[in-house]
Amino acid sequence: EPEVTQTPSHQVTQMGQEVILRCVPISNHLYFYWYRQILGQKVEFLVSFYNNEISEKSEIFDDQFSVERPDGSNFTLKIRSTKLEDSAMYFCASSRDYHNEQFFGPGTRLTVL
Amino acid sequence: AQSVTQLGSHVSVSEGALVLLRCNYSSSVPPYLFWYVQYPNQGLQLLLKYTSAATLVKGINGFEAEFKKSETSFHLTKPSAHMSDAAEYFCAVSDRNNDMRFGAGTRLTVKP
Repeated sequence: EPEVTQTPSHQVTQMGQEVILRCVPISNHLYFYWYRQILGQKVEFLVSFYNNEISEKSEIFDDQFSVERPDGSNFTLKIRSTKLEDSAMYFCASSRDYHNEQFFGPGTRLTVL
Repeated sequence: AQSVTQLGSHVSVSEGALVLLRCNYSSSVPPYLFWYVQYPNQGLQLLLKYTSAATLVKGINGFEAEFKKSETSFHLTKPSAHMSDAAEYFCAVSDRNNDMRFGAGTRLTVKP
């Protein structure tokens, strides 16, 4: 069964460094998403991406963040100049159609020291 | 903007007992509603979804939810809890913008 994959599973970085979180969505899906979950808190929507552009973003997704689909398979989240409060689990998701089920990856745990 | 509220951050039931996890939504347009389950150290798995068809939605693992517009609710139920149901459950809503907003989650504990 196809699934969303994410790498790395755990990323440790120093405050102020840039990180890139990678996702491979399900191959025939057209919509891609990033969410984050700070430890013990709810899952928060960051951004949705369709047709090579951002279709929606939350107030959390500021200039520190960017997303890219560099090739036909990968979908990346870049966090510039990481802060301690960026420490969280980051989930990638994809869906085939608008308002269809979103399939989630296993997440990348980001720890900023 | 749309939002969901999950009443009760922690619910504990005995094995074999009824499971009821509450979710109320707020949306300015007819919503799409979802329940996801998260097992420890795993991602989110869809249990069921409401997309304006039947108001009683059946999902995986014996769960179901009923959309009640008059109460703006989408509570999740299961007639008989199993030990394997212990997990975190998230209600979520999306509207025409397709960005999904999650509730704070309810941790379900099942006692033997």
